[in-house]
Amino acid sequence: AQSVAQPEDQVNVAEGNPLTVKCTYSVSGNPYLFWYVQYPNRGLQFLLKYITGDNLVKGSYGFEAEFNKSQTSFHLKKPSALVSDSALYFCAVRDRTPLSGGSYIPTFGRGTSLIVHP
Amino acid sequence: DAGVIQSPRHEVTEMGQEVTLRCKPISGHNSLFWYRQTMMRGLELLIYFNNNVPIDDSGMPEDRFSAKMPNASFSTLKIQPSEPRDSAVYFCASGAGANVLTFGAGSRLTVL
Repeated sequence: AQSVAQPEDQVNVAEGNPLTVKCTYSVSGNPYLFWYVQYPNRGLQFLLKYITGDNLVKGSYGFEAEFNKSQTSFHLKKPSALVSDSALYFCAVRDRTPLSGGSYIPTFGRGTSLIVHP
Repeated sequence: DAGVIQSPRHEVTEMGQEVTLRCKPISGHNSLFWYRQTMMRGLELLIYFNNNVPIDDSGMPEDRFSAKMPNASFSTLKIQPSEPRDSAVYFCASGAGANVLTFGAGSRLTVL
């Protein structure tokens, strides 16, 4: 079984300050980890992913995330927040081992609303 | 590439009517997912197709919901009869192999 927890429903940060959106996961094997962003009235858009290699992953719009295996976390970060970063952020995980038949189903968190104040 | 295309973008219907939502995945993608998003329940996986075959439909709420994927370029999600509690945004997403999903813009359904 696999699961994702995003412990904060909402994160508030002032423009120019660093931001962190938290994500912890649980999988039976090794994880593939993803962050997606959803702007109002839009579908989810891919931000970044961790597959293997360097634990610090850089993605779109200046975002980055750090894979921490011991803490089973994959927190999303940005050094300096912009008002335009305000959106809903989703963490997702799937096990590297496919289901029978070679298929994969990712599990998404409930989402965290990021509000950046001017 | 136009991305994942969903139609209609908005649908308002009356309770008891049939609703059909449509999705055209990205060409070459072999995985297709239908999700439902509401404020109360967040993002819920309804059904997953791999190579046009339904693999997991455990998220389909009840028999009123059905989904088909007759070919690699088209899928439908049907609700019959619709109920007010079905009001939500329905997303289709497609993926190639194992990794990143591309989501459509969604179909906002309101059942009166």
